[in-house]
Amino acid sequence: DGGITQSPKYLFRKEGQNVTLSCEQNLNHDAMYWYRQDPGQGLRLIYYSQIVNDFQKGDIAEGYSVSREKKESFPLTVTSAQKNPTAFYLCASSKPGQGIYNEQFFGPGTRLTVL
Amino acid sequence: RKEVEQDPGPFNVPEGATVAFNCTYSNSASQSFFWYRQDCRKEPKLLMSVYSSGNEDGRFTAQLNRASQYISLLIRDSKLSDSATYLCVVNPPGGYQKVTFGTGTKLQVIP
Repeated sequence: DGGITQSPKYLFRKEGQNVTLSCEQNLNHDAMYWYRQDPGQGLRLIYYSQIVNDFQKGDIAEGYSVSREKKESFPLTVTSAQKNPTAFYLCASSKPGQGIYNEQFFGPGTRLTVL
Repeated sequence: RKEVEQDPGPFNVPEGATVAFNCTYSNSASQSFFWYRQDCRKEPKLLMSVYSSGNEDGRFTAQLNRASQYISLLIRDSKLSDSATYLCVVNPPGGYQKVTFGTGTKLQVIP
């Protein structure tokens, strides 16, 4: 079955620690995205990547870093510089170029709590 | 003006009712539009794309009004299982770089 996986589902972190969230897809999608969602709020874009070895900052990139060494993988590191990291993190992918209706497909998310 | 705006609700409707949500967008050059459904503490899932000519999928109908810059979602014969938050998504010109999500409209279908 094709899809997007994120791990872990729940993550607890102490203040001052970096933590890396995993995102893997086997949909052969070129583009991948990381979003953050806070309670009662919409999705905010952290980073996105259109192709391997290339990525761009989204609207709230400060305190986060990413890499895109493989097409299938787009890990997100939440660094200690992120002041309020407790949130629901969602990874998505899409296959641009297949017409304009390039919808995004989401992984199940990682719920990060900073203690 | 926000790029994408939705009424947060909640819309509380009885089973069997018809309910409609609107979503306005600010960029007149936006190319494509979608409705997603998000259940509590879950990921968003694509409900339907919104085509210029409008489209229907069972009890769900999506419409696009480019002149007034809004899209709509109509749900007929509401079911309890329709209770969720409905997110409007707008793609800018050029497609996939930075789509914009609305904050969502919460629907609660009551018995």
